[in-house]
Amino acid sequence: EAGVAQSPRYKIIEKRQSVAFWCNPISGHATLYWYQQILGQGPKLLIQFQNNGVVDDSQLPKDRFSAERLKGVDSTLKIQPAKLEDSAVYLCASSSSQSSYNEQFFGPGTRLTVL
Amino acid sequence: DAKTTQPTSMDCAEGRAANLPCNHSTISGNEYVYWYRQIHSQGPQYIIHGLKNNETNEMASLIITEDRKSSTLILPHATLRDTAVYYCIVRAISGAGSYQLTFGKGTKLSVIP
Repeated sequence: EAGVAQSPRYKIIEKRQSVAFWCNPISGHATLYWYQQILGQGPKLLIQFQNNGVVDDSQLPKDRFSAERLKGVDSTLKIQPAKLEDSAVYLCASSSSQSSYNEQFFGPGTRLTVL
Repeated sequence: DAKTTQPTSMDCAEGRAANLPCNHSTISGNEYVYWYRQIHSQGPQYIIHGLKNNETNEMASLIITEDRKSSTLILPHATLRDTAVYYCIVRAISGAGSYQLTFGKGTKLSVIP
């Protein structure tokens, strides 16, 4: 089966610019996650979707970050305006409630550099 | 979620068993131990999980102590491709069938030729 797809793989922007990342989860996976991974740290959950509804966005900086999953399939994460500290890898993951152990499958990530 | 403690880094000779420890002394009765790994420039990858019994799959074995306060991930014959950061995560599985992962800094395993 195809894995989690993300694009772009790399993005360089200047501070105060806006940027968007796209994620296409594994077909049939109802749950989608966005993580932020700063260099040298483990991934940190930003937002979790169940179908097209938000389950948890408590760690999403809502003044500048937004995310949507309009049709319950692919998702977009946006940052506007970007700050230097947003430089990180943004990972998308998906999981299926049909799985007996709820394994999360991760995409390759988008590496964002804010100058 | 219970907090986990892992060594920052470990080395292992190629072909030898790699034993990665994890302490989770505050684990609750309904919390599972999960292991993920992250190879450089890739997203994390699920390895194995367990509740209280030892578990084995095609990738690794998980040994959980009887009091469940610590566990060890065993890669029986480490290869260079096993060089990665290994994350031990403790998490209860929700009835909704989904769960969140709280990653620490993990253990950087270097497999040496």
